[in-house]
Amino acid sequence: NAGVMQNPRHLVRRRGQEARLRCSPMKGHSHVYWYRQLPEEGLKFMVYLQKENIIDESGMPKERFSAEFPKEGPSILRIQQVVRGDSAAYFCASSLGLAGTYYEQYFGPGTRLTVT
Amino acid sequence: AQKITQTQPGMFVQEKEAVTLDCTYDTSDPSYGLFWYKQPSSGEMIFLIYQGSYDQQNATEGRYSLNFQKARKSANLVISASQLGDSAMYFCAMRERNAGNMLTFGGGTRLMVKP
Repeated sequence: NAGVMQNPRHLVRRRGQEARLRCSPMKGHSHVYWYRQLPEEGLKFMVYLQKENIIDESGMPKERFSAEFPKEGPSILRIQQVVRGDSAAYFCASSLGLAGTYYEQYFGPGTRLTVT
Repeated sequence: AQKITQTQPGMFVQEKEAVTLDCTYDTSDPSYGLFWYKQPSSGEMIFLIYQGSYDQQNATEGRYSLNFQKARKSANLVISASQLGDSAMYFCAMRERNAGNMLTFGGGTRLMVKP
């Protein structure tokens, strides 16, 4: 059973370009989460999605960032007009969803975005 | 206020010795879960251990155990018999039932195992 897959693993963009990060959840998982890790920091929650629905986007910057999880295909995190401060590792995690008080989020390997 | 605090930015431990990584948390939600993740230099996040707020016993997974002191709101990770491959960043995280499904992470502790 393949784990969570993210691509690309490394992405270099010039300031002002668009970045598209893809996440394929584990088989059978319908919940996807995106986190951002700035250098030397812990992960920060960005957005939580189920198929075709954004459940919680409280951690998303108000501008330039968007996320989707279509009925078919991977989840996409899109960053428009990137700036140097967007350089970070972006992690996707997936889960089966709520199961009592315990569930586990399985993380992908991350996409390292560098903005030059 | 920080929800998850890891006060040790870096720690050294001698190979084969035990080490404790500190984590304190802040929540008013009676139902929550605490997680520890390992992040080696390759960058992936590896789940290590989980403790639920209603669990009566401390969680253990192989060489990892969680010293859960609910009244003190601490969830320290204990690694026994350290190995060179344990050198990595370690993150404590919390999920609060009333706050949705997201994880809140601490700033991490860098563990370095000396041969």
